[in-house]
Amino acid sequence: NAGVTQTPKFQVLKTGQSMTLQCAQDMNHNSMYWYRQDPGMGLRLIYYSASEGTTDKGEVPNGYNVSRLNKREFSLRLESAAPSQTSVYFCASSELAGGPAEQYFGPGTRLTVT
Amino acid sequence: AQSVTQLGSHVSVSEGALVLLRCNYSSSVPPYLFWYVQYPNQGLQLLLKYTTGATLVKGINGFEAEFKKSETSFHLTKPSAHMSDAAEYFCAVSGPGANNLFFGTGTRLTVIP
Repeated sequence: NAGVTQTPKFQVLKTGQSMTLQCAQDMNHNSMYWYRQDPGMGLRLIYYSASEGTTDKGEVPNGYNVSRLNKREFSLRLESAAPSQTSVYFCASSELAGGPAEQYFGPGTRLTVT
Repeated sequence: AQSVTQLGSHVSVSEGALVLLRCNYSSSVPPYLFWYVQYPNQGLQLLLKYTTGATLVKGINGFEAEFKKSETSFHLTKPSAHMSDAAEYFCAVSGPGANNLFFGTGTRLTVIP
């Protein structure tokens, strides 16, 4: 099993450009998450999908959209990138949403917006 | 509402010394508590978690944590640090009915040879 995979690993964008970060999991998990990690701020939840067909905003959703394409895949889209979106983005999945369920993380996408 | 405070953004210990990373939580419901570790340029992986039952929880790589309700704490310890323990450590909290984890800001552990 590959676990949680993310593409791309690195990306550089110019301000105003758009892009989609891809995430897939092969553990048959119901719930998936997108986080951003910034120095000194830990991980902040952008959006999550508790189950296929549902998505909800997290702590920092502005400037992002998500799509739960199917049970395996959860993509994050930046419509018009801004320098403030320079960050490392992590996708995670869990069997159930929240509660005692462990989250499994992908390797991350390092995004720079110039 | 739930939140986590990690005291000390950087901790340095000598190889073989005790590791103590502090975590205090706030939760209006019985909490589920987690410690995750992140090695350089990698994602996070679970070290250990507390859900219910025994308050002393043992995890991977010799780490353990004790849930102390009276102190609202869940500190992470390891009796003897190893060079391979150098990483960033995150405490997180969830609860019954919560749909996600709330992470602390992390503690970077440096192990001095």
